[in-house]
Amino acid sequence: DVKVTQSSRYLVKRTGEKVFLECVQDMDHENMFWYRQDPGLGLRLIYFSYDVKMKEKGDIPEGYSVSREKKERFSLILESASTNQTSMYLCASSPSGTKNTEAFFGQGTRLTVV
Amino acid sequence: KQEVTQIPAALSVPEGENLVLNCSFTDSAIYNLQWFRQDPGKGLTSLLLIQSSQREQTSGRLNASLDKSSGRSTLYIAASQPGDSATYLCAVGASWGKFQFGAGTQVVVTP
Repeated sequence: DVKVTQSSRYLVKRTGEKVFLECVQDMDHENMFWYRQDPGLGLRLIYFSYDVKMKEKGDIPEGYSVSREKKERFSLILESASTNQTSMYLCASSPSGTKNTEAFFGQGTRLTVV
Repeated sequence: KQEVTQIPAALSVPEGENLVLNCSFTDSAIYNLQWFRQDPGKGLTSLLLIQSSQREQTSGRLNASLDKSSGRSTLYIAASQPGDSATYLCAVGASWGKFQFGAGTQVVVTP
């Protein structure tokens, strides 16, 4: 089975801190994604990557950056955490191509910024 | 921009009834459509993926249909059980494996 693992289930950080959220997948998938999920707003794409060292902005990239140094690992970075970044963060991966791009998600990281 | 809508937002049924969950999208030029299940505070679990060329996909008690021309997909869950209680999300696939999600339907199956 595909496994996508996020490094933390729960995180509490202070305003202004630099925050790293880590995601690792074990199925050699080319595509990796970071979404945030908020009540009433659903899932929104922050960044995605289709290859090592490649990244593209999603719908809400402001205040975030990403890093993909190895194929299996995709990190989300909050440069200076703010309270409006309190959210559930979900990482996903999928194979490349246009057909069988079934996405698999991690268990989520609940981030609280105080 | 693709808009994905799920109706109803919430649904409560007695155990044993069939569930019918609806998803509509505005742009028919999709790559595929995926249905997910989400339990409270957890990540998303993939249920079914339908390619744009397919009309339906089945897995056990689950059946999903796709009508691209009308911009609709329906997830049927036969003989519902209390363990089916969760939020069900529809996601429409675009280029690079990106998905546009609906807001979800929260399902409660009462014993």
